[in-house]
Parts: sequence; structure tokens; C-alpha cells
Amino acid sequence: KNEVEQSPQNLTAQEGEFITINCSYSVGISALHWLQQHPGGGIVSLFMLSSGKKKHGRLIATINIQEKHSSLHITASHPRDSAVYICAAQYGNKLVFGAGTILRVKS
Amino acid sequence: AAGVIQSPRHLIKEKRETATLKCYPIPRHDTVYWYQQGPGQDPQFLISFYEKMQSDKGSIPDRFSAQQFSDYHSELNMSSLELGDSALYFCASRVWGSNQPQHFGDGTRLSIL
Repeated sequence: KNEVEQSPQNLTAQEGEFITINCSYSVGISALHWLQQHPGGGIVSLFMLSSGKKKHGRLIATINIQEKHSSLHITASHPRDSAVYICAAQYGNKLVFGAGTILRVKS
Repeated sequence: AAGVIQSPRHLIKEKRETATLKCYPIPRHDTVYWYQQGPGQDPQFLISFYEKMQSDKGSIPDRFSAQQFSDYHSELNMSSLELGDSALYFCASRVWGSNQPQHFGDGTRLSIL
């Protein structure tokens, strides 16, 4: 069974803190996605990775193929970063989602 | 830039009724995906289409069917609705074979009374 595991499930941070969310997956993925879901439901794609590291603004995503592990980092966190962050593994043509990490950044 | 458009945004139905959800992909995107996200759950893949043909199938119930039309829009048809079908239904689109991620619509929130 293709599985995606995320940690932590819930994360509360103070504004300005450095945040890390972790994701592990099973073999055979063609890409790893990080998604952001705000209250109300809309999903935004943040990163799609197959190797190495990507950076966009204060967000950084890394993937270690050998360890089957990816991390999403948020530098200088802000209350507007509060959302659910979802890791999704791409197996062939479809995505398998992790359970999500609920992030709350307090000012 | 144009995004993935889903309609309706909200839908209320009663048990045993039928519903049709629509998805209009980003222009020139030929692949459409449907996902179901129950309350407090992670999204689950239902079905996908490429060039009007089903390309992959996930946990879509037999009571549901879907198709993709020649203009690449897709419709998810749901019959004999059950309380457990209450969920947020997402559509996503991309260009088949590209290294670009899926683009998601805002979802249709379906409530079954």
C-alpha cells in the first residue's frame, strides 16, 4: 500500500520562528508535493519535488530520495502562514495525501 | 491567470438524490483529477481523465461516474446520495506528462441532509 506519513499533526509557533514539517513515503514515487489548504478548503500547490531542494520566498522544501523523506521549512513564520500543510506523494499519475499538519502561528 | 473552476461551490442534497459536479480545467490542461475530502480527513483520489479517457481510478464508489468532454471539462455524477457522501470535492488539472504540479480548484462542498 502506498502510504504517506506526516509529522507533526499539529504545530503551534510564535511569529518569527523557524518551522519544519516532515513527510515520509514509501518507494516508487515519481514526485513529492507540498500543498497548503486554508480554512474554507482551497488547496494551493507550493512545491513539486523529485530531488534536491526548492525555495520560494520564505518557504523551502527538501527531499532525500535515499531516506524517502521530505521536509517543508518556513523561515520567519507569520500568522498568515497559519493553514494546513499537506504532503502528497505522486505514484504514477495520482496523488496519495498525508493527513496534513495544522499550523498555527501566533503573533 | 485563469484557474481551475468548479461549480457549484456549495450544494445541498437529500439522501437518494443525484448530483452533478462540474470542473473546468486551466486552458490547455488536458488531464483532470477528482478528489474527495471528508470532514477532518485528507483528500482521497477518486478518478482521473486524460484526453477524454479514464487514466486512473481510485476509491470512487460504483454510485459515482465521471467523464471528460471534448473541451476537457469534466463532470462527476453522483447517484443514490448517502449521508457519508458529504464532503469537499476537489478537481485538479495539469498537462499530461509535464513536470508541473496539479492546479486545484476551490472545491465543491456537498452536504447531504
